[in-house]
Amino acid sequence: EAQVTQNPRYLITVTGKKLTVTCSQNMNHEYMSWYRQDPGLGLRQIYYSMNVEVTDKGDVPEGYKVSRKEKRNFPLILESPSPNQTSLYFCASSFLEQGLSNGYTFGSGTRLTVV
Amino acid sequence: DQQVKQNSPSLSVQEGRISILNCDYTNSMFDYFLWYKKYPAEGPTFLISISSIKDKNEDGRFTVFLNKSAKHLSLHIVPSQPGDSAVYFCAASARPLISPPGTSTGTASKLTFGTGTRLQVTL
Repeated sequence: EAQVTQNPRYLITVTGKKLTVTCSQNMNHEYMSWYRQDPGLGLRQIYYSMNVEVTDKGDVPEGYKVSRKEKRNFPLILESPSPNQTSLYFCASSFLEQGLSNGYTFGSGTRLTVV
Repeated sequence: DQQVKQNSPSLSVQEGRISILNCDYTNSMFDYFLWYKKYPAEGPTFLISISSIKDKNEDGRFTVFLNKSAKHLSLHIVPSQPGDSAVYFCAASARPLISPPGTSTGTASKLTFGTGTRLQVTL
């Protein structure tokens, strides 16, 4: 089944403790992206990647890192999480050449709480 | 600054009637628009899209209308069904999700999302 898989689904952590949220897709998509969803703010892009070893900042990159060493994986790294990073996170992917008609495929989300 | 706005946080519609979800945008550079549907505990799923060269795109029960002069788009669901109950996000892009060869990727693949409208279809 074609899908974007995020892990973990739920995570509670303490301020300052480094964590990684994994994202993997099995569709051979070139493009991958991370979003966070917050009440009243919709989905905001954190980072995106057009292909292996190519990453760029989105709207809210502060406090986050990403890497794209393999095409299928795009982990989101919080080196020193803070409470304002408590949010619902989504990973998404798409082909670069599929055009607008198909949009992105999203993962099921990771709910992160930083205390 | 919210460039894509969905001013109605929620909407309730009776089964069989038309649901109309609205979205306004401020950035005149936006020229591709998408609608996503999101159920609880799931990621958003792509519903329908429209390019700025069109004013209407239809897919089954779902139709998206675009009024460029008013910077407004709407999603019509006819007839509404209980399974349509979800949060709907509109999203906009200033360029296609793909970049033509030789062009700068820049922000070409960035989607700007609205805040969402929760639709409830009642029996």
